[in-house]
Amino acid sequence: NAGVMQNPRHLVRRRGQEARLRCSPMKGHSHVYWYRQLPEEGLKFMVYLQKENIIDESGMPKERFSAEFPKEGPSILRIQQVVRGDSAAYFCASSPGTSGSTDTQYFGPGTRLTVL
Amino acid sequence: AQSVTQPDIHITVSEGASLELRCNYSYGATPYLFWYVQSPGQGLQLLLKYFSGDTLVQGIKGFEAEFKRSQSSFNLRKPSVHWSDAAEYFCAVVASGGSYIPTFGRGTSLIVHP
Repeated sequence: NAGVMQNPRHLVRRRGQEARLRCSPMKGHSHVYWYRQLPEEGLKFMVYLQKENIIDESGMPKERFSAEFPKEGPSILRIQQVVRGDSAAYFCASSPGTSGSTDTQYFGPGTRLTVL
Repeated sequence: AQSVTQPDIHITVSEGASLELRCNYSYGATPYLFWYVQSPGQGLQLLLKYFSGDTLVQGIKGFEAEFKRSQSSFNLRKPSVHWSDAAEYFCAVVASGGSYIPTFGRGTSLIVHP
């Protein structure tokens, strides 16, 4: 049973380019979460999605960032016109969505974005 | 809103010594509590979790944690540390009132000396 998969593992972009980060949840999981981790900091929540639906995007910057989780295919976190401050590790987690607040989240290995 | 404090940024122990990593939380009711471990360049792995019941919970890799309501703490312990335990450890809190979103502490980096 494969775990949460993220690709690419490392992504380098120049300022102004777009970054697309992909997340495939564990089999049977219908809930996806995106987090950002800056150096020497904990994870900060960005967005929580179910299939074709954004449940909570309270942690997403208002501009340049968007996320989707289509009916088919992986969840995508998209960052437009990247700036150096976007350099961070972006983690995806998934959960089965069957236990409410006690749903355990399983994390992927992360995508490390570097903006030159 | 809930918050999590991990007061120790770095902890250094010798291999074979005991370990205790501190975690304090702020929340009006009993939260759901988690400890995760992150090895360099990797994602987070769940070590253990507390929802209710017995306040001493056992996790993987020989770790345990004790929930102490009076101290708002959920400290992680291991009786004998192995060199492979060197990693970053994160405590996380989920509000039990219906939120799905964990709040993470900033992490404690564990260094193990041979």
